Amino acid sequence: EPEVTQTPSHQVTQMGQEVILRCVPISNHLYFYWYRQILGQKVEFLVSFYNNEISEKSEIFDDQFSVERPDGSNFTLKIRSTKLEDSAMYFCASSERDRGEQYFGPGTRLTVT
Amino acid sequence: GEDVEQSLFLSVREGDSSVINCTYTDSSSTYLYWYKQEPGAGLQLLTYIFSNMDMKQDQRLTVLLNKKDKHLSLRIADTQTGDSAIYFCAANYGGSQGNLIFGKGTKLSVKP
Repeated sequence: EPEVTQTPSHQVTQMGQEVILRCVPISNHLYFYWYRQILGQKVEFLVSFYNNEISEKSEIFDDQFSVERPDGSNFTLKIRSTKLEDSAMYFCASSERDRGEQYFGPGTRLTVT
Repeated sequence: GEDVEQSLFLSVREGDSSVINCTYTDSSSTYLYWYKQEPGAGLQLLTYIFSNMDMKQDQRLTVLLNKKDKHLSLRIADTQTGDSAIYFCAANYGGSQGNLIFGKGTKLSVKP
């Protein structure tokens, strides 16, 4: 069964460093998303992406964040200068159609020290 | 702002039915989802329901939607120890493409 994959599973970085989290959505899906879950808190929407551009973004998704689909299979989330409060589990999701059901990857645990 | 609320814990005995409840505030939500998260794993889509439906059954899972009260429930029949996990209710926010708002999750513990 097709699934969303994410790499790495765990990333440790120092405050102020740039990180890139990678996702491979399900191959025939056209809509892509990033969410995050700070430990003990709710899963929060960050950004949605369709047709090579951002469709929506939340207040969390400030200028430090960017997304890209560098090729036909990968979807990346970049954090330019990480802060301690960026420590969270980051989930990628994809769906086949607009407002379709979203399938999530296993997540990348980002730890900023 | 819009919100999704769930009770945090539920404990049942193996073989019993489990009912996990959720309330949401956004009356324009069109899709409502249940996700399952096992320890150390991602979010597994269990089932979903459109807002124009009031019930959906999928094997051991039954989803009930009361749109008037903005109340969603997930019933798991014949609950097994393998069903122990955190269950998240989520609703798409307003007319948005895919901005899902999640509840905090209900931790289901199944006792043998």
